[in-house]
Amino acid sequence: GAVVSQHPSWVICKSGTSVKIECRSLDFQATTMFWYRQFPKQSLMLMATSNEGSKATYEQGVEKDKFLINHASLTLSTLTVTSAHPEDSSFYICSARDRDIRDTFGSGTRLTVV
Amino acid sequence: KQEVTQIPAALSVPEGENLVLNCSFTDSAIYNLQWFRQDPGKGLTSLLLIQSSQREQTSGRLNASLDKSSGRSTLYIAASQPGDSATYLCAVPYNNNDMRFGAGTRLTVKP
Repeated sequence: GAVVSQHPSWVICKSGTSVKIECRSLDFQATTMFWYRQFPKQSLMLMATSNEGSKATYEQGVEKDKFLINHASLTLSTLTVTSAHPEDSSFYICSARDRDIRDTFGSGTRLTVV
Repeated sequence: KQEVTQIPAALSVPEGENLVLNCSFTDSAIYNLQWFRQDPGKGLTSLLLIQSSQREQTSGRLNASLDKSSGRSTLYIAASQPGDSATYLCAVPYNNNDMRFGAGTRLTVKP
């Protein structure tokens, strides 16, 4: 079955530094990838939609200069949290969509900013 | 706008019981509907995907049904086990864009 690899699974960083999270579709091509954020005991909220070769589309309230998304190929999208602050601590999950409009999710990244 | 609602928000049952989780959506023009499981602090595990042309899917002790016209799906778990304790999420692709998730049902199966 389809597999999406997301790395790292957890990361701790200092305030003011940047963190990059990778999302790879291992056995299929994904023209569209999605980045979600999840706060404790809440459901997933879409942050941005990433299309290969074009700029990401951000949801209202998500700072595009803070959450940089790059979708350089049909199998890789990256999310970079720039100048991280403690309030950015959260669980980030990516998903990759195949041609059958089936989304496969990564295992998530737990970000803690100290 | 597609809105997904899950009832109940939390459920606690003794081991061995059969149970039903409910999911409703406001826009019936969906491609498919997925049920996921999420363990605390973990990512999502896809349990079942029902295409819009299907009425149900089964995997082991799990059975998911879909009624597009009424905007409802149910996840039936037979003979529940403590290992089934997790949050169950349903989701639908929205307008050929992202997935819209319900808030989830937090299930606890007591030994």
